[in-house]
Amino acid sequence: AQSVTQLGSHVSVSEGALVLLRCNYSSSVPPYLFWYVQYPNQGLQLLLKYTSAATLVKGINGFEAEFKKSETSFHLTKPSAHMSDAAEYFCAVSEEKDSSYKLIFGSGTRLLVRP
Amino acid sequence: NAGVTQTPKFQVLKTGQSMTLQCAQDMNHNSMYWYRQDPGMGLRLIYYSASEGTTDKGEVPNGYNVSRLNKREFSLRLESAAPSQTSVYFCASSATGTYSGNTIYFGEGSWLTVV
Repeated sequence: AQSVTQLGSHVSVSEGALVLLRCNYSSSVPPYLFWYVQYPNQGLQLLLKYTSAATLVKGINGFEAEFKKSETSFHLTKPSAHMSDAAEYFCAVSEEKDSSYKLIFGSGTRLLVRP
Repeated sequence: NAGVTQTPKFQVLKTGQSMTLQCAQDMNHNSMYWYRQDPGMGLRLIYYSASEGTTDKGEVPNGYNVSRLNKREFSLRLESAAPSQTSVYFCASSATGTYSGNTIYFGEGSWLTVV
């Protein structure tokens, strides 16, 4: 079964600093990988997804992620943090079974942005 | 532009009471899902429905039942609520269950407290 590990339940950066949120996956087949963002008291919104077309994936709000098969990683980055980026971020892998699929989520990383 | 709509948004139940969370999507999606979110545990799948007329258990189905009423609606029922079911519940949908790269869209969440 697929699984996802997010290193660091909380990450704190200064405004303008690099954001790096780590995600490692375990999958027996080529994975489809996703990053979602959750703002306080809201649902989850898709940031970006990897579907094997390109290893560097660009998403909304200036975020991007690079798929590295050799490292089984899909880390999320943003060159310069903004106060509005403060939120919880979830990495997820798609798992297929019996012609249906579902998302398996990591435990999440809360990003704090200091002024 | 409703997307995925869940009701109610907030609910307080007494132990042993029953209730149903309602979910509807207006995107003509085939697959629908119910997740629960607990601090430090990410989102865990309760039940899903790959297509109208089918439902399957997810990671944490105990204490819950679901009904795929039609293509649009997927309800989650707690027959006898327990404090361990205090959580935030998310309904979600996606276009089809046969392509793992499809985006899953989430509702705004339902905050349930069992006392």
